[in-house]
Amino acid sequence: NAGVTQTPKFQVLKTGQSMTLQCAQDMNHNSMYWYRQDPGMGLRLIYYSASEGTTDKGEVPNGYNVSRLNKREFSLRLESAAPSQTSVYFCASSVDYSNQPQHFGDGTRLSIL
Amino acid sequence: QKEVEQNSGPLSVPEGAIASLNCTYSDRGSQSFFWYRQYSGKSPELIMSIYSNGDKEDGRFTAQLNKASQYVSLLIRDSQPSDSATYLCAVNMGGGSNYKLTFGKGTLLTVNP
Repeated sequence: NAGVTQTPKFQVLKTGQSMTLQCAQDMNHNSMYWYRQDPGMGLRLIYYSASEGTTDKGEVPNGYNVSRLNKREFSLRLESAAPSQTSVYFCASSVDYSNQPQHFGDGTRLSIL
Repeated sequence: QKEVEQNSGPLSVPEGAIASLNCTYSDRGSQSFFWYRQYSGKSPELIMSIYSNGDKEDGRFTAQLNKASQYVSLLIRDSQPSDSATYLCAVNMGGGSNYKLTFGKGTLLTVNP
């Protein structure tokens, strides 16, 4: 089983460019999440989808949009990239939106020049 | 603001020793607790879940939970150099539909051969 798969693994963008980060899970999980991780800041939740058809803002949603395409896939879009969005992005999933652990993908390292 | 606090470290222990990692949380109503291991440049990997007061053992790892004192700890027995990583404490601050997994910033553990 692949678990949670993120693409791409690395990306360099110029300020103002747009990009979509892809995430897919094969564990039949209902809930999916997008985090960013910055040095000294820990993991911060950007958006989440408690179940197929729903999405909600997390702690740091500004500058991002998401789409829960189906039960397996949850994408994160940067409409107009800014240097402050340089970070490592992790997608995660969990069985449901309750007391269940989250399982992470390998991450996308995004640099915005 | 609901918080999860960890000592940032680095915590340095000799090979074969017991490493003790601590975490405190601010929400007395928290119901589920997780420890993740994150190697440098990699994604967080779930190593322990604990839901009830007391100890939970899995191989060389023991998670300890004390809800009255609002702390959770991770003990690693017979520490190995391969245990060198950042350990993230995650707490579900709120139950049921108010699920919110909050991560600490992590403790860097170094095991010296």
